[in-house]
Amino acid sequence: SYVLTQPPSVSVAPGTTARIPCGGSAIAGRSVHWYQKKSGLAPVLVIYFDNDRPSGIAERFSGSNSGNTATLTISRVEAGDEADYYCQVWDTSGDHPDVVFGEGTKLTVL
Amino acid sequence: QVTLKESGPALVKPTQTLTLTCSFSGFSLTPGGMDVSWIRQPPGKALEWLARIDWRGTEFYSTSLKTRLTISKDTSKNQVVITMTNVEPVDTATYYCTRSIVLAGIVYFDVWGRGTPVIVSS
Repeated sequence: SYVLTQPPSVSVAPGTTARIPCGGSAIAGRSVHWYQKKSGLAPVLVIYFDNDRPSGIAERFSGSNSGNTATLTISRVEAGDEADYYCQVWDTSGDHPDVVFGEGTKLTVL
Repeated sequence: QVTLKESGPALVKPTQTLTLTCSFSGFSLTPGGMDVSWIRQPPGKALEWLARIDWRGTEFYSTSLKTRLTISKDTSKNQVVITMTNVEPVDTATYYCTRSIVLAGIVYFDVWGRGTPVIVSS
């Protein structure tokens, strides 16, 4: 089955740029979606189809996907961006289609 | 406004069957690329997709859990039900109901319920 690899944590100072990678074999050939999960709250879709933003999501959130790495970029990071971030793909490579999530990256705003 | 709400027992015993209901509003399970999925998150762990059902009643299951899961829908009530048999303590998690968007065969989840916590313990 397809595996998505994320670093356990990323730390940045407020006002700087956070980049959260999501690694997968030839991931550029897949569409990647990103979710923000704050403690005690339901996950929120922040990026879909690599770099599309749902309405209501700040323009500071963007995504890219190339080679073996997709990246969620958060510009001008704010304290309120502190959360776990998960990447996700729909995997049809095997006998059985499946949803695959990464293990999640905890973003800490210093 | 699209909303989803999960309901079900907060505590189940090992080996029992867990049944959770998702009641949704603001959209319908009709042709158009929207359906309903269940996703869970064990404490301190990652999100895990469980199952999806589309407007035709076609069921999709996680490869690792498909032998224990059944998903069904009641279109007239705007409800989707999932059952998980033979639960174990490792099934302790918050269970989320989500609206799934299917575009060009690709699935993602754009609206989530608040989740319902389930503890499996004797």
